Amino acid sequence: GENVEQHPSTLSVQEGDSAVIKCTYSDSASNYFPWYKQELGKRPQLIIDIRSNVGEKKDQRIAVTLNKTAKHFSLHITETQPEDSAVYFCAAISYGGATNKLIFGTGTLLAVQP
Amino acid sequence: NAGVTQTPKFRVLKTGQSMTLLCAQDMNHEYMYWYRQDPGMGLRLIHYSVGEGTTAKGEVPDGYNVSRLKKQNFLLGLESAAPSQTSVYFCASTRTGVYYGYTFGSGTRLTVV
Repeated sequence: GENVEQHPSTLSVQEGDSAVIKCTYSDSASNYFPWYKQELGKRPQLIIDIRSNVGEKKDQRIAVTLNKTAKHFSLHITETQPEDSAVYFCAAISYGGATNKLIFGTGTLLAVQP
Repeated sequence: NAGVTQTPKFRVLKTGQSMTLLCAQDMNHEYMYWYRQDPGMGLRLIHYSVGEGTTAKGEVPDGYNVSRLKKQNFLLGLESAAPSQTSVYFCASTRTGVYYGYTFGSGTRLTVV
């Protein structure tokens, strides 16, 4: 089955700096890679996603890149702000299959220092 | 349109007690999932369902049972709770067809003492 590894587990940056979180996946059939942000005590919220036929996607200050050959994808947050502080999860799924199971990485706690 | 609703939100159980967590969705989604979230371990899939009347095991199914008698409801049962089942439980749903993210419930914080 799919296995998703995520690094680093914790990340501390100064406000205004960039943050990068990296994930690798094992199942070459995975074709959809969402990123979730989870604030303390809240449910995970989708912030950006990328499909396997796309190499990069941007949405304002956040971007995701995908390297299918190497089976890794990354989240990039530029000009970080204190409200970006949260736990971020990457995930992988083989969409359109029989189960649509989403497998998550172990999460990255991002702390943005003012 | 409430999305995905989980009940209860909090619960404290004694070891050996049983309980059922309810997940209800009003989006007519075919797929439903139960995850548990523990510090440093992310969200791990317990059980899932690809349609009414069907269930299957995920990564960590031991100690849990599920049922999906109605399309909109997915129940997670603990027959004999253990302290190792202390966790935050999230239900999620999604639909077939085009790429579509999961919709998560607000979570149930369960403590087993």
